[in-house]
Amino acid sequence: GAGVSQSPSNKVTEKGKDVELRCDPISGHTALYWYRQSLGQGLEFLIYFQGNSAPDKSGLPSDRFSAERTGGSVSTLTIQRTQQEDSAVYLCASSPGAGVHNEQFFGPGTRLTVL
Amino acid sequence: KQEVTQIPAALSVPEGENLVLNCSFTDSAIYNLQWFRQDPGKGLTSLLLIQSSQREQTSGRLNASLDKSSGRSTLYIAASQPGDSATYLCAVTSGSRLTFGEGTQLTVNP
Repeated sequence: GAGVSQSPSNKVTEKGKDVELRCDPISGHTALYWYRQSLGQGLEFLIYFQGNSAPDKSGLPSDRFSAERTGGSVSTLTIQRTQQEDSAVYLCASSPGAGVHNEQFFGPGTRLTVL
Repeated sequence: KQEVTQIPAALSVPEGENLVLNCSFTDSAIYNLQWFRQDPGKGLTSLLLIQSSQREQTSGRLNASLDKSSGRSTLYIAASQPGDSATYLCAVTSGSRLTFGEGTQLTVNP
């Protein structure tokens, strides 16, 4: 099992609560991405980490969303004060190299439901 | 802003047919194009990656072409099987991110 893993697979929370979603990339992959797939909509980019460089946060929809990547490996996406419109599947991907030419490999996703 | 469009949105074919899925993108300044499949409730599985300098890639019964200047890609599936039933997504890399199309939902009937 050397693929991208995500936890939890499902998360149900109440409006206003904070949630943390975790991503374990493929070992040795230097790039890590977060995407969101909302019901009836396509996948949208959230954030990109590459090595020790400053992350590209341009896809984060609001300041309630943040992400960090510790030690160049595991990443956590945090959503504060969740809203119902945050309900979606959150997908993490990693790629092996420093360049954008590299193939992205996706995890199974975390399905977030905000009641 | 990059926009990716996939046609058709849904396709139903009998087993054994050859079929073509279409993808178009508005900004030809891409690094690569990827085709994925997504099964219900599952993540994305990468099928083929075409670099911007390439014209096509093949894997088994799948063949993907890329015409960067016209902003088009096609995914050709030969001798379709019921196990090919899934949603197929096209995505282009521009900048640091993938921009996805809405997908084509394929059903192959036995």
